[in-house]
Amino acid sequence: DAMVIQNPRYQVTQFGKPVTLSCSQTLNHNVMYWYQQKSSQAPKLLFHYYDKDFNNEADTPDNFQSRRPNTSFCFLDIRSPGLGDAAMYLCATSSWEGLDIQYFGAGTRLSVL
Amino acid sequence: AQSVTQPDIHITVSEGASLELRCNYSYGATPYLFWYVQSPGQGLQLLLKYFSGDTLVQGIKGFEAEFKRSQSSFNLRKPSVHWSDAAEYFCAVGASTDKLIFGTGTRLQVFP
Repeated sequence: DAMVIQNPRYQVTQFGKPVTLSCSQTLNHNVMYWYQQKSSQAPKLLFHYYDKDFNNEADTPDNFQSRRPNTSFCFLDIRSPGLGDAAMYLCATSSWEGLDIQYFGAGTRLSVL
Repeated sequence: AQSVTQPDIHITVSEGASLELRCNYSYGATPYLFWYVQSPGQGLQLLLKYFSGDTLVQGIKGFEAEFKRSQSSFNLRKPSVHWSDAAEYFCAVGASTDKLIFGTGTRLQVFP
């Protein structure tokens, strides 16, 4: 009965080769978030969607893009992964664009060779 | 600027011992405060939250936290730790209508 599902759990890509990470949710939440978490660090918000409205964090590199084709799915695209992009990527959802509880997926660990 | 500080990077306790994880925040208004737990290779799970009201908040897995405005703290406690509590613990503060700011985490190790 997983509510926020991330696929794949582990992703290996080559330097500069585009990669897409997937997130789906069964909660019917309006808001979906993408975080980057490097080893032994706090999760860092990259961007979020409120419905179809995209909100990018000011310091998120242009290399990171996102798509939300419908309420249930959200994708993180890394156009040209660098070695520094190796990290855990966490998807989260919340029911409204406020300080509601965020529900996290199990994450996708990305390795860049 | 809003911030969260977790002074203890790593804590080790014996199973059955009590636990307190520290969290201090800097925020200009009444904050919304959260504690999340992350097991190795997993996402974050909410332990408890404080929005308003009673400053002693009960959460899942036997955890509680106390909001102390005068100390800008929201420390997490558990009276008796189990081996399964070994994980990374993150304190977070609500910074705006759409963003959480996380502390850098405290890694808890539990010895049998």
